[in-house]
Amino acid sequence: DQQVKQNSPSLSVQEGRISILNCDYTNSMFDYFLWYKKYPAEGPTFLISISSIKDKNEDGRFTVFLNKSAKHLSLHIVPSQPGDSAVYFCAAELYTGNQFYFGTGTSLTVIP
Amino acid sequence: DVKVTQSSRYLVKRTGEKVFLECVQDMDHENMFWYRQDPGLGLRLIYFSYDVKMKEKGDIPEGYSVSREKKERFSLILESASTNQTSMYLCASSLLGGEETQYFGPGTRLLVL
Repeated sequence: DQQVKQNSPSLSVQEGRISILNCDYTNSMFDYFLWYKKYPAEGPTFLISISSIKDKNEDGRFTVFLNKSAKHLSLHIVPSQPGDSAVYFCAAELYTGNQFYFGTGTSLTVIP
Repeated sequence: DVKVTQSSRYLVKRTGEKVFLECVQDMDHENMFWYRQDPGLGLRLIYFSYDVKMKEKGDIPEGYSVSREKKERFSLILESASTNQTSMYLCASSLLGGEETQYFGPGTRLLVL
């Protein structure tokens, strides 16, 4: 049973516009959320995270929003750049620590 | 700089063979993880370890075993490889405790014929 869901397998955005990637979760015991970026033939690399005590975290062009009541988080990339084209995974960690659950990924294509 | 390395980028094995995938991290992390990544299924946890000689089953441990004899090294073993174990295998490590980032290796693409 998928506890972390990314319902959009793919997304295409024009360069310079905003990319919004969405993630839903079902387990209220998750208290830390992360976004990873993955290029083909490489391992995922950490992008940005947010603790459940916050509703927003920003790092340059990347912002993650958390809506705990809706069990929903989103990643905003603005402005989008062609180098952002990759697969993005959201992940959630149980409050006990040490166990992470990943979504199925969203493939982002930024069109020049 | 953080580094997780995996012994092979690509492997081709035959059904029934015993397969060893090695992972080494140089960050003195307590936690180490093995995932497999399949299209449409994301990353699924096979096993993890929070200390030397300790191991915990993840979501899909069947057909796999692990070994952690040293803190920096975590091995995944396919006792008798099967075609449904063809996948991308990813190793990761993190510090012990909550709100810690996982660092991933480059992955091993395994093909079982």
